[in-house]
Amino acid sequence: DQQVKQNSPSLSVQEGRISILNCDYTNSMFDYFLWYKKYPAEGPTFLISISSIKDKNEDGRFTVFLNKSAKHLSLHIVPSQPGDSAVYFCAASAIGTYKYIFGTGTRLKVLA
Amino acid sequence: NAGVTQTPKFRVLKTGQSMTLLCAQDMNHEYMYWYRQDPGMGLRLIHYSVGEGTTAKGEVPDGYNVSRLKKQNFLLGLESAAPSQTSVYFCASSYSISVYEQYFGPGTRLTVT
Repeated sequence: DQQVKQNSPSLSVQEGRISILNCDYTNSMFDYFLWYKKYPAEGPTFLISISSIKDKNEDGRFTVFLNKSAKHLSLHIVPSQPGDSAVYFCAASAIGTYKYIFGTGTRLKVLA
Repeated sequence: NAGVTQTPKFRVLKTGQSMTLLCAQDMNHEYMYWYRQDPGMGLRLIHYSVGEGTTAKGEVPDGYNVSRLKKQNFLLGLESAAPSQTSVYFCASSYSISVYEQYFGPGTRLTVT
């Protein structure tokens, strides 16, 4: 059973526009969420995180929104740049479990 | 400061052969993890360690063993490789428990024929 789901395998966006990547989870015990970016032939790199006590966290062009009642989080990238083209993974964890559960990833392509 | 390094980067094995993947981190992190990534599956946790001398099973531990004899190293062993273990393997480390982000190595691409 996939506890963390990214239902869109791919997304294409024009440069300068907003990219919205979505993630849904089923386990109500998850209380910390992260987004990672992955380029080909490299390991994932941390992008932004959010705790369940917040509903929004911003870092430059990247904003993560958390809707606990819907068990849904989203990553907004504004404005999108060609260098943002990568695979984005969301991950979730429950404090004390030492483990992260990853989604299957969304491939973002930003068109110049 | 190299971060997380993995050795080797690529490997081809025949069914039944054994090998060890080495992960090293120079950030003095307590927690280390081994994941595998398969197409359409995301990253799945194989084993993890919460400190030197400790290991624990993740989501998909069968067919793998691990050891953490030194804090900076985390070894993943395949005793008898199977084609189903063809995958990209990532090692990661983190400073503390789950509220901290993980730092990933560049990955090892393993093919079992």
